[in-house]
Amino acid sequence: AQSVSQHNHHVILSEAASLELGCNYSYGGTVNLFWYVQYPGQHLQLLLKYFSGDPLVKGIKGFEAEFIKSKFSFNLRKPSVQWSDTAEYFCAVTGSGAFYGGSQGNLIFGKGTKLSVKP
Amino acid sequence: KAGVTQTPRYLIKTRGQQVTLSCSPISGHRSVSWYQQTPGQGLQFLFEYFSETQRNKGNFPGRFSGRQFSNSRSEMNVSTLELGDSALYLCASSLDRDKPYGYTFGSGTRLTVV
Repeated sequence: AQSVSQHNHHVILSEAASLELGCNYSYGGTVNLFWYVQYPGQHLQLLLKYFSGDPLVKGIKGFEAEFIKSKFSFNLRKPSVQWSDTAEYFCAVTGSGAFYGGSQGNLIFGKGTKLSVKP
Repeated sequence: KAGVTQTPRYLIKTRGQQVTLSCSPISGHRSVSWYQQTPGQGLQFLFEYFSETQRNKGNFPGRFSGRQFSNSRSEMNVSTLELGDSALYLCASSLDRDKPYGYTFGSGTRLTVV
């Protein structure tokens, strides 16, 4: 079965520090990759997504992620975090292609990483 | 345009009762998926509907069911509620299941079973 691993359960940073959240998935076929963010009391919002093409993907609010196929990884980065980035971050994957009969399949989520940014 | 709308936002039910949750997808979106979010298990896939047909189902007992109407609105039902069913239930819609458009989530329904 497919799975998604997020290495850090809780990350605490000071404002202006750089951020990298790890995400690894276990599926050898074609994948679509996502990072979602859930701010306190709010719904899941899409930060960025990778379907194909340039493996370096830029999302909203200065976030970016790099897809490294050989490492089955899709790490999220931000050069300088702000207090407002305090939230929980979820990596997710859908399979695509023949495995799902050509469709995008359902999202498989990692357990999430809570990010706390100290002002 | 309006996002994914879930009603009600909060529900409190008693063990053994049943509950129905509703989801209205973004206009034009034909795929609706349901997820359960709990602190212990995280986000888990329940089922997906596309053009009124259940296309995919997660590993949940038969007490969890759903349906989709011709206008793409979807409902999920949980019968014989258990304490462990307390969770945030999220609905997500997508434009077309056959292409990787990604999913937009609603705010969820917080179900508490007492």
